[in-house]
Amino acid sequence: QVQLQESGPGLVKPSQTLSLTCTVSGDSISSGTYYWTWIRQPAGKGLEWIGRTHSSGGSSYNPSLRSRVTILLDTSKNQFSLDVSSVTAADTAVYYCAREPFSSSPFDPWGQGILVTVSS
Amino acid sequence: QSALTQPASVSGSPGQSIAISCSGTSSDVGGYNYVSWYQQYPGKAPKVMIYDVSNRPSGVSSRFSGSKSGNTASLTISGLQAEDEADYYCSSLTSRSTYVFGTGTKVTVL
Repeated sequence: QVQLQESGPGLVKPSQTLSLTCTVSGDSISSGTYYWTWIRQPAGKGLEWIGRTHSSGGSSYNPSLRSRVTILLDTSKNQFSLDVSSVTAADTAVYYCAREPFSSSPFDPWGQGILVTVSS
Repeated sequence: QSALTQPASVSGSPGQSIAISCSGTSSDVGGYNYVSWYQQYPGKAPKVMIYDVSNRPSGVSSRFSGSKSGNTASLTISGLQAEDEADYYCSSLTSRSTYVFGTGTKVTVL
């Protein structure tokens, strides 16, 4: 059974970089058959797709976040990461990592989510 | 990219059928069959209910079905049950090889 688990600091200061890691168990992120994705959800609001990456090196990002976001794979640890630079209070949200099949649509499974608050 | 448009809320009595719409453009919903639907309970991660417009993952009740016509996708829940009360989101691949989610719909079982 594939499981994803987010980790990282729960509090980040404005203008700093938010860095999160997603640890994958039960599957290899280098298998090439999946995209590895980050999604976020501000409290009381809807879901926002942040971006995805693939073991081939290809990545794509939400145009509204592209200038501030980087998603990378660490195959040695079977993890992938998210960096969001120059954060503001608007980046406060629950951040989820998820897996997406290479030739299909569903984000499945999802991690449990991690709340990140941007505040001084 | 603009969020897909969903009704803010839909309600129904137990046993009834309800439908949730997800309106987009030819650059997302209308252009691809990569439309999914997610169910989310408060404080929990979303769960996929329908993928690729009309496919149901194993373990998901057959009461859930999906369809698409033009730029609008729909999720139908038949035989509405109390446990179906949750938030529902659609998502679609876009022409930019990105994804966009819907605005979300709160389903209330009366």
